[in-house]
Amino acid sequence: AQSVSQHNHHVILSEAASLELGCNYSYGGTVNLFWYVQYPGQHLQLLLKYFSGDPLVKGIKGFEAEFIKSKFSFNLRKPSVQWSDTAEYFCAVNGPLFSGGFKTIFGAGTRLFVKA
Amino acid sequence: GAVVSQHPSRVICKSGTSVKIECRSLDFQATTMFWYRQFPKQSLMLMATSNEGSKATYEQGVEKDKFLINHASLTLSTLTVTSAHPEDSSFYICSARREQGLYGGYTFGSGTRLTVV
Repeated sequence: AQSVSQHNHHVILSEAASLELGCNYSYGGTVNLFWYVQYPGQHLQLLLKYFSGDPLVKGIKGFEAEFIKSKFSFNLRKPSVQWSDTAEYFCAVNGPLFSGGFKTIFGAGTRLFVKA
Repeated sequence: GAVVSQHPSRVICKSGTSVKIECRSLDFQATTMFWYRQFPKQSLMLMATSNEGSKATYEQGVEKDKFLINHASLTLSTLTVTSAHPEDSSFYICSARREQGLYGGYTFGSGTRLTVV
């Protein structure tokens, strides 16, 4: 079955600590991968996306993610977090359907809290 | 816990007809729900924010008379695509705020793929 798994539901870090959020997926065929962020009280915003090419993707606000096809993973990283990074982070996988068209599946989200 | 059920998962309709998509929180009350759409090779785009008991807030460029949103209860929000056209064919997904407070988490539905022929 198609699925997206985010390993950590809650992460607490101090400012300047490094961040890595795990994301693994199960989906047959070619996929597109996304990381979104949702700040308190706001709607979803795109952090970065991978469609093809260089598997190391750089996004906004210093975030990056690496697509490792053999591990079906797309982990999100940031070398030094800030208090303003406190938010909920979602990994999403978009892929084709046998019947045509496409579908997007979201992970359960990881809530990051950064202590000042 | 924190399950959001979205129906239907797939719908094919004729041009000019209307389609209703339901987003239901099964085990929690959601005062706020978001509706997004996604086209091929693009990321999700917010269409509107749905608040229980009040009118939805639509994003710029989204026709409120075409995409009717009703959030009549704390567990159900509906999106109706009226007079659908082929360009409305897209992937629609909802998310519901599952907790109150500033850091309320969100849960996504499973999405609806709409094809207008």
